[in-house]
Order: sequence, then C-alpha cells, then structure tokens
Amino acid sequence: GAGVSQSPRYKVAKRGQDVALRCDPISGHVSLFWYQQALGQGPEFLTYFQNEAQLDKSGLPSDRFFAERPEGSVSTLKIQRTQQEDSAVYLCASSSRGAGSPEYGYTFGSGTRLTVV
Amino acid sequence: AQSVTQLDSQVPVFEEAPVELRCNYSSSVSVYLFWYVQYPNQGLQLLLKYLSGSTLVESINGFEAEFNKSQTSFHLRKPSVHISDTAEYFCAVTKITGNQFYFGTGTSLTVIP
Repeated sequence: GAGVSQSPRYKVAKRGQDVALRCDPISGHVSLFWYQQALGQGPEFLTYFQNEAQLDKSGLPSDRFFAERPEGSVSTLKIQRTQQEDSAVYLCASSSRGAGSPEYGYTFGSGTRLTVV
Repeated sequence: AQSVTQLDSQVPVFEEAPVELRCNYSSSVSVYLFWYVQYPNQGLQLLLKYLSGSTLVESINGFEAEFNKSQTSFHLRKPSVHISDTAEYFCAVTKITGNQFYFGTGTSLTVIP
C-alpha cells in the first residue's frame, strides 16, 4: 500500500481482556517496528522485526505483550489480560532498509489508540 | 544509553512570528538526530534529519535545525510560522548502527492567528 496501515483505529477493552492490534507495512518493507506512546509522552520502542524474525523485543514491558510477523509482512501486537496502564497509542513503523540503517528514517502509521477501562 | 529532552511542552506563537523548539540529547556514542512532526490523528512524519556534514539542515517547508555537538543540542527553528504548522513536534536520536529511535516527550506548537 501507499502507507503503513493500522487497525483498528480505536479500541476500547475491559480490564483483563485480550486485544490484537494489526499493522500492514508498506509493501516490500523489510523492517517493522512497534512503539508505544502514552498520553503526553514520546513514543517508546517495543519491538523490531526484520522480515519474519523478531530481532529485538527488549522494549516489551511484560510477558503479556507478544508480537508476531509470521510471513514477513503483516504484524500483530497482542496484549493479554489488559491493564489500565496499557492505555496508549500503539504505533507501527516500517522501513525498506534492514538492520542498522536508521538514517533512512521510518514511515509511521497513524496508530491504534487503546483505552482500557 | 541515549535520551532526549524537550524542555518546552507547549509553545504558542503568533502567525508569521519566528519560533524555536528546543531539543537536547545525551549519548555516549555517535548518533543521528531527527525531528518528526505529528498532525492531529496522523502518524509521525519525518521533518528533517542530521546524519553528518553540514550542521545546518533544512526541510522543504521552511524549518531548519542546527546540530551543536558541544552543547548536545538540535534545536528546530522557523523564521515565520503558518497556521498549518500547528502540530506536535518530536525530537529523536538513534545510534548510527542502531534500530530504535529514542524520542523526546514532544512540543505542542500552536500558531495563533
């Protein structure tokens, strides 16, 4: 596609529910990133994929967070047993470059706003 | 580790006035520096970046930023702002061999007619 597409745009979940957030990167983009942006904060890194391989998951805040990219294109971020502190905008970004090439910048999606009530 | 500080959370400015959005960073290794802009309900868009060479970098819509290594700063400036510049601006750094961006907390620029 022309840009990075994320769905749903908004998600309201009851505390304890599981949620799945989808990211469609730009076609052919090798690298895919997930960031979490809490209200009033800058985005914070969650995890990074190069094709289907998850090369860095150091930013995932707990074992309730899980991300996958099984075929090297679409990615899903899953949050189990959601808590109120999970409320944030989840941003996906992709890049045509592989690891270690941040100078080319990334294309960000519009994000999924998750509200846990 | 890398970190970014944006001291000004909100900056109101009148239309056609100049503006400076401040950014300071901390890093023990060489970094690349970026400014991203986020319009309401949209994703982050790259505004400009410093990789190497000339310390003054410019965007296509009149913004510029200057890398100052001694002061570890990368302030964003525009000599005359427009209403359409109203947005959230994020400064970010990344290690030159890294993958993840480290963002500041953002500066909300509001241009007043």
